[in-house]
Amino acid sequence: EPEVTQTPSHQVTQMGQEVILRCVPISNHLYFYWYRQILGQKVEFLVSFYNNEISEKSEIFDDQFSVERPDGSNFTLKIRSTKLEDSAMYFCASSERQGFGYTFGSGTRLTVV
Amino acid sequence: AQSVTQPDIHITVSEGASLELRCNYSYGATPYLFWYVQSPGQGLQLLLKYFSGDTLVQGIKGFEAEFKRSQSSFNLRKPSVHWSDAAEYFCAVGRTGANNLFFGTGTRLTVIP
Repeated sequence: EPEVTQTPSHQVTQMGQEVILRCVPISNHLYFYWYRQILGQKVEFLVSFYNNEISEKSEIFDDQFSVERPDGSNFTLKIRSTKLEDSAMYFCASSERQGFGYTFGSGTRLTVV
Repeated sequence: AQSVTQPDIHITVSEGASLELRCNYSYGATPYLFWYVQSPGQGLQLLLKYFSGDTLVQGIKGFEAEFKRSQSSFNLRKPSVHWSDAAEYFCAVGRTGANNLFFGTGTRLTVIP
């Protein structure tokens, strides 16, 4: 069964550092997403990406966040200057159609110290 | 605005017993409804989804859910729970033309022998 692959599974970074979280969506999917889950809280939408541009973003997705599809397979989330409150599990997802049948990756646990 | 409530933070059932996990949503129109399961260290796996039509939806692993518009509910059921069903279960709601899903806070299921 096709999978969404995320790397690394766990990343520890110092406050103020830049991090890039990587995802390989399912190859025939056209819509890509990032969600995050702070420990003990809800899974929250960050951003969706389609046709090489952001199609929707939440209020969480401020100027310190950016997404990119640098080649035909990877989809990345960059946090420019990490804060302690950015510590969370970050999930990448992809779908064939808008809002339908997401496939989620296994997540990257980001710990900011 | 959409929201999802999962009233039960933690449920414990005996193996072989029946299970019902509750989910209530708030949305003005007909929502798209999903149940996801997350095992420790794993991603979010789609159990089942409702878009339209038959209000009783069958999913993977023997799960089913029933959409009740009058009660704004989409409860997840399984007639006989297996030890491998122990996990965190998330209900989510989406809407037509939108990219993002709104998640509940999750219900942790413990299965005892």
